[in-house]
Amino acid sequence: GESVGLHLPTLSVQEGDNSIINCAYSNSASDYFIWYKQESGKGPQFIIDIRSNMDKRQGQRVTVLLNKTVKHLSLQIAATQPGDSAVYFCAESLVSGNTPLVFGKGTRLSVIA
Amino acid sequence: DAGVIQSPRHEVTEMGQEVTLRCKPISGHNSLFWYRQTMMRGLELLIYFNNNVPIDDSGMPEDRFSAKMPNASFSTLKIQPSEPRDSAVYFCASGKEGANVLTFGAGSRLTVL
Repeated sequence: GESVGLHLPTLSVQEGDNSIINCAYSNSASDYFIWYKQESGKGPQFIIDIRSNMDKRQGQRVTVLLNKTVKHLSLQIAATQPGDSAVYFCAESLVSGNTPLVFGKGTRLSVIA
Repeated sequence: DAGVIQSPRHEVTEMGQEVTLRCKPISGHNSLFWYRQTMMRGLELLIYFNNNVPIDDSGMPEDRFSAKMPNASFSTLKIQPSEPRDSAVYFCASGKEGANVLTFGAGSRLTVL
């Protein structure tokens, strides 16, 4: 089956700077996308999601952007904090919810104090 | 709510031994997923259930792996016999059928010597 991939396996940012984590997807039928954060020793935690009828969605300090033309997804974290250090995964599925989430390999974000 | 509860958190066993991982989903969630996480392959879906019925087990590596969900509040993933290549973190996640967001447990780290 098709899978979700990531451009950058690791990302280091200075505390206070903005972070951008990228993700490419290949399944053109996917219409639902989600970002998870995984801290060391813990399970993935939901951050934000977006449906394909939207280009942008904002949460608290996080924004997800979706470019369906090039099948690209990004997660922007404003004013990155040490607590943001984690591995971030994007995942895709169908809005109908009848297909399980397919995860990318993840990007490790390291925040430099 | 205590979230998705997995046990054991850590298990070290010898090759050939039987391993049983357990999961208690969030009350009211009627979909349950087993994922396996390794550095090489990331998060892979093994099997998922809707209303206690296995829907897709195509991700189960081989016949040594089996999963059951005898009721809405309990699921097991069994490996018999275990092999060193089964070493990984196994996550259980639950969600509401038809919804996309999954809530993950803390995972069970398995080491097979």
